[in-house]
Amino acid sequence: DVKVTQSSRYLVKRTGEKVFLECVQDMDHENMFWYRQDPGLGLRLIYFSYDVKMKEKGDIPEGYSVSREKKERFSLILESASTNQTSMYLCASSLSADRSETQYFGPGTRLLVL
Amino acid sequence: AQSVTQLGSHVSVSEGALVLLRCNYSSSVPPYLFWYVQYPNQGLQLLLKYTSAATLVKGINGFEAEFKKSETSFHLTKPSAHMSDAAEYFCAVSYNNNDMRFGAGTRLTVKP
Repeated sequence: DVKVTQSSRYLVKRTGEKVFLECVQDMDHENMFWYRQDPGLGLRLIYFSYDVKMKEKGDIPEGYSVSREKKERFSLILESASTNQTSMYLCASSLSADRSETQYFGPGTRLLVL
Repeated sequence: AQSVTQLGSHVSVSEGALVLLRCNYSSSVPPYLFWYVQYPNQGLQLLLKYTSAATLVKGINGFEAEFKKSETSFHLTKPSAHMSDAAEYFCAVSYNNNDMRFGAGTRLTVKP
């Protein structure tokens, strides 16, 4: 089974702090994704990566950056956390860029910014 | 542009009743369609997907969905709801794998 793990289930941070969310997948998947989930809005794509050191902006990249130094690991960085970044963050991975591919999700990190 | 609309943010059914969760899509190319389920405090899990083979797709836990091109729909059904089906359900359309569009979600409540 594909396993996608996220470093924290719950995080509480202060406004202005730098926040790191880490995601690891164990199935040698090419693609990795970071989504943000908010009630009534579904999932919105922040960034995705299709290869090591490669990244593309999604729909809502402002205030976020990412890093993929190794194939299995994809990090989301909030350079200076703000209260409007309080949300559930979901990481996903998929085998390839074929559009029939299933995305496999981690359990999510619920971030509260005070 | 590819998008999905889920009709009804909340659906409530009695245990043993039919479950029907609605999803309509728009896509400029033949769509690939997915249903995911999210149980409380968990990530999303694939229920089923349509990738241009059979129009009636069977998934896990007794769920199925029918692709209807004429109606641009991909509604999710289960003949008899179980308490364990209580969760949030997301419909998604894939234009390419780097552009999967999710609906806003439908929260299913199952009453005893």
